Amino acid sequence: AQSVTQLGSHVSVSEGALVLLRCNYSSSVPPYLFWYVQYPNQGLQLLLKYTTGATLVKGINGFEAEFKKSETSFHLTKPSAHMSDAAEYFCAVSGDYKLSFGAGTTVTVRA
Amino acid sequence: GAVVSQHPSRVICKSGTSVKIECRSLDFQATTMFWYRQFPKKSLMLMATSNEGSKATYEQGVEKDKFLINHASLTLSTLTVTSAHPEDSSFYICSARDLGAGLGIEQFFGPGTRLTVL
Repeated sequence: AQSVTQLGSHVSVSEGALVLLRCNYSSSVPPYLFWYVQYPNQGLQLLLKYTTGATLVKGINGFEAEFKKSETSFHLTKPSAHMSDAAEYFCAVSGDYKLSFGAGTTVTVRA
Repeated sequence: GAVVSQHPSRVICKSGTSVKIECRSLDFQATTMFWYRQFPKKSLMLMATSNEGSKATYEQGVEKDKFLINHASLTLSTLTVTSAHPEDSSFYICSARDLGAGLGIEQFFGPGTRLTVL
């Protein structure tokens, strides 16, 4: 079975500041890990994913995440927040064909 | 590539009626489609998994007679909410994937359907 825990249901950052969203996973098999973004009343857009290989994964819109097996973590970062980054972010894990989502983190960006 | 559409984007219906939501993969063949439900300010909950040409597999606690899923072709899956009631009001999202086309294990998500039952 797989599960993820997102630490912090709400993160508020100033425009231009670092964005850090935390995700820890639990998986009985080597995990595939994902970060998705959701804007109001829209579906999910993939930001980035880790399957195998390089543990530092770069995604769209300047986001990146690092897979740390020893810490069972897959935290998402962006060096400089933009107003357009305000959205809901979901971490997800897949060990088989199903995706298990975290509870989500709402990001607000202050001007 | 790998675009998934849903129709309608929003629907309002009266209690007791049935509503059908369509999920289409536009530029790939979806061997597997998934249906999720999302409550306000909440995460996505997997309702069922459907493979083309076979019966859907429902998650524990999901009423298969209430939420009918049909995956009749490689590009279309439908979710029918039968005898809808206000508690069925939610945001329904589908996703699709095709292991055989080199798309890997990634699921591609539709834009969602907002169902409101009066």
